[in-house]
Amino acid sequence: EAGVTQFPSHSVIEKGQTVTLRCDPISGHDNLYWYRRVMGKEIKFLLHFVKESKQDESGMPNNRFLAERTGGTYSTLKVQPAELEDSGVYFCASSPLGSELNTEAFFGQGTRLTVV
Amino acid sequence: SQKIEQNSEALNIQEGKTATLTCNYTNYSPAYLQWYRQDPGRGPVFLLLIRENEKEKRKERLKVTFDTTLKQSLFHITASQPADSATYLCVLQRGNTPLVFGKGTRLSVIA
Repeated sequence: EAGVTQFPSHSVIEKGQTVTLRCDPISGHDNLYWYRRVMGKEIKFLLHFVKESKQDESGMPNNRFLAERTGGTYSTLKVQPAELEDSGVYFCASSPLGSELNTEAFFGQGTRLTVV
Repeated sequence: SQKIEQNSEALNIQEGKTATLTCNYTNYSPAYLQWYRQDPGRGPVFLLLIRENEKEKRKERLKVTFDTTLKQSLFHITASQPADSATYLCVLQRGNTPLVFGKGTRLSVIA
């Protein structure tokens, strides 16, 4: 069974450009999460989808970040326009519906974003 | 605000010894505490979960304790091996809220 897949694995863009990150969750997992780790800091929550609906987007830093999950399958996270402080590793995680509490989340390998 | 402290950024131990990692938290009352392992260039991988009403949980060579009075969890790896070298993350959760991560402790097991 394929795990959580993220694309691209690395992205280097210039300040002001747009970047779109993609996450393919484990098939059948309705919960999808985005997290981010900036250098020297802990991993922090960005948002949570249940199927195609945004359940919690309290961690989104500002309106330059737009997440979508059309059809409740894969998700994209767009940063437009990118700023230097957006650099970091973006992780996607998924889990089955009904498992929000006390069960593991399955993480992708992450996308390392560098804004120069 | 919530704060999680993992005892040290890096820990070096000799192969065969027991590694003990510490996680302390403040301004938070988690219902669940999880430990994840992360290797370079990879995402976190779930290891163990312990509930607030549990004192200890074991899985093979791993043992986790959870003291809600001290607001502390200890993570032990017995008979450590070089393959155990990785970053270990302490993660808290309460209710249907997002996971809260510590910065992690980078463990190196020396042969």
